[in-house]
Order: sequence, then structure tokens, then C-alpha cells
Amino acid sequence: GQNIDQPTEMTATEGAIVQINCTYQTSGFNGLFWYQQHAGEAPTFLSYNVLDGLEEKGRFSSFLSRSKGYSYLLLKELQMKDSASYLCAVRAPREAGTALIFGKGTTLSVSS
Amino acid sequence: DVKVTQSSRYLVKRTGEKVFLECVQDMDHENMFWYRQDPGLGLRLIYFSYDVKMKEKGDIPEGYSVSREKKERFSLILESASTNQTSMYLCASASPRQDSYNSPLHFGNGTRLTVT
Repeated sequence: GQNIDQPTEMTATEGAIVQINCTYQTSGFNGLFWYQQHAGEAPTFLSYNVLDGLEEKGRFSSFLSRSKGYSYLLLKELQMKDSASYLCAVRAPREAGTALIFGKGTTLSVSS
Repeated sequence: DVKVTQSSRYLVKRTGEKVFLECVQDMDHENMFWYRQDPGLGLRLIYFSYDVKMKEKGDIPEGYSVSREKKERFSLILESASTNQTSMYLCASASPRQDSYNSPLHFGNGTRLTVT
């Protein structure tokens, strides 16, 4: 079966660093995505990893270990606007083509 | 910028009604997807399509069907709406090209459907 786990909620303060973990067990793997979703809005793409290692993009970084079925999203210099849900998603093969399977999301609350 | 447009932001329907949710994308993407999003359950894949007239079942297809008559349009159909189909429905599209295998999904703004 397909299973993607991430913490339900996290809290942090402005200026801090937070790491959101994601573990996955899927039948096949063609890449891992992180999305950000503000309340009432559509998810927006943050990052993509397909090889092991760290991908850095400004204040956000994402790490992948395929052997461990593990990824994390690192957010630095937190701002109030970073309060949102963060969705981990794995691209997995289907009977035809591939599709993204999502975790349940981690709601991050940033306080001043 | 990719634009994925869902025809309605909010819909209220009665149990047993036939419901059409429409989605249009303007980037000539071959791949289109329908998800529903519920608190505590996250985004779950209902159906997807890789080409005109082609459809594949996702993880929760029961009670739904889809139509892809034109490349830019992907419709989700609830043949007989039920209260457990009250949810946020999100349409997405993506490019399948090999050089953009990391192509992310581009989402519409969602349709919040309430079935009473």
C-alpha cells in the first residue's frame, strides 16, 4: 500500500528554524514534492527531490534519503506569512503513468 | 504562468442530484487530476487523465466519474450526490514531458461542495 506520514501540527516563533519531517512507504518512487497551502487557498509548489541530498531554495531547503524513505523540509528565518499547511507528496507509478500521493499535511503556526 | 480554473468556488447541492465540476487549464498540459481534500485526511486522488478521452481511477473513485473530451477540460461528475461527498475538490494539471519530469502539479482554487 501507499503511506506517507508527517506530523499533524507544529509551532515556532518568528526568526526561528523549523524542520518538517516526512516518511513514506510507496510501491515505487519517482520523486518527492513539498507544497505550501495557506488556509482557503490552493497548494503551491515549493520543492522537488528525486536524488538523495539537500536542495536549497532561498529560505527553504528540502532533503531526501531514498534508502530511508525519508524527507524533510527546512524553513529558516521564519516569518508570520509562513503559517500554513505543508504537504509532502510522492510521485508513484500507477497502472498507467504516475500520480502524486499526498500526506495529510503539517499545519505550521508561526508566532511573534 | 499556468492557470487552472475551476468553474465554481462554492456549490450547494441536494442529495441525489447529478453534479458537474468543471476544470480548464491553459497550458496545453496532457495530465489532469481531480483530488478531494478533507480535514484530517489530506488530499486524496479521485481520477486522473493522461490524454483526451483517457481516464484512470485514483484511490477513491467510487461515486464519481470523469470526462475528458478536450485537452484543456477535465470534468468530475457525481452521478447521485451524497452527503459524504461534501468536500473541497481540487483540480490540477501537469506536463508529462521527459525534460520536465519534475513538473509539479498546478492546482485550481478549488470548489467547496456541500451536499445537503
